[in-house]
Amino acid sequence: QVQLVQSGAAVKKPGASVRVSCRASGLGFNGHAMHWLRQAPGQRLEWVGWINTANGDTRYSQNIQDRVTITWDASASTGYMDVSSLRFEDTAVYYCARGPIVGATTHPFDFWGQGSPVTVSS
Amino acid sequence: SYVLTLPPSVSVAPGKTATITCGGNNIGSKSVHWYQQKPGQAPLMVIFYDTDRPSGIPERFSGSNSGNTATLTISRVEAGDEADYYCQVWDSTGDHPVFGGGTKLTVL
Repeated sequence: QVQLVQSGAAVKKPGASVRVSCRASGLGFNGHAMHWLRQAPGQRLEWVGWINTANGDTRYSQNIQDRVTITWDASASTGYMDVSSLRFEDTAVYYCARGPIVGATTHPFDFWGQGSPVTVSS
Repeated sequence: SYVLTLPPSVSVAPGKTATITCGGNNIGSKSVHWYQQKPGQAPLMVIFYDTDRPSGIPERFSGSNSGNTATLTISRVEAGDEADYYCQVWDSTGDHPVFGGGTKLTVL
């Protein structure tokens, strides 16, 4: 079965860090990248960043680039997104998705994980 | 930065046709992708590259793109089509995606 399976919900205090994982099952990333997006309550989708799983190249949204790190463990077919120095406004559902290698194509996000809610609360 | 504009809501009776527009400056020169998102679920691609439909998506879903407007059309609307719909393009620099604000489709 083709799917991206994400880690569960997390509740963190401001200033803490969070790691969200995304395991690919039955889905290859040849010619594609793993992207991370988020959606705050009642808001539109916002792109966070991506990783080229073939060579580890990454790129991040300017909105969060100083606090986010995306990695890929090929042996586990699992991607990770780490966000540090969490703020209240980081409260959102975080999604991983298979998408294009940025700059190479304009492909869509064709497969999505189920989402991982992250709540930042004191 | 590039901006995509969608109506906040569209209402349609069952069996009728729903039309959701996505406005952007010369959007006809870009490739537009559409996603359906039901409450508590991840987005699902329903149209890609303006007019293509992924396997498993009913033929009732179709898309077009010209000038300053891309359109998602849902024919013979069913209750199960009730969801938020988003359009998406890639920024002209090609280095990040742009999403519209989403349209809530209500089936009366």
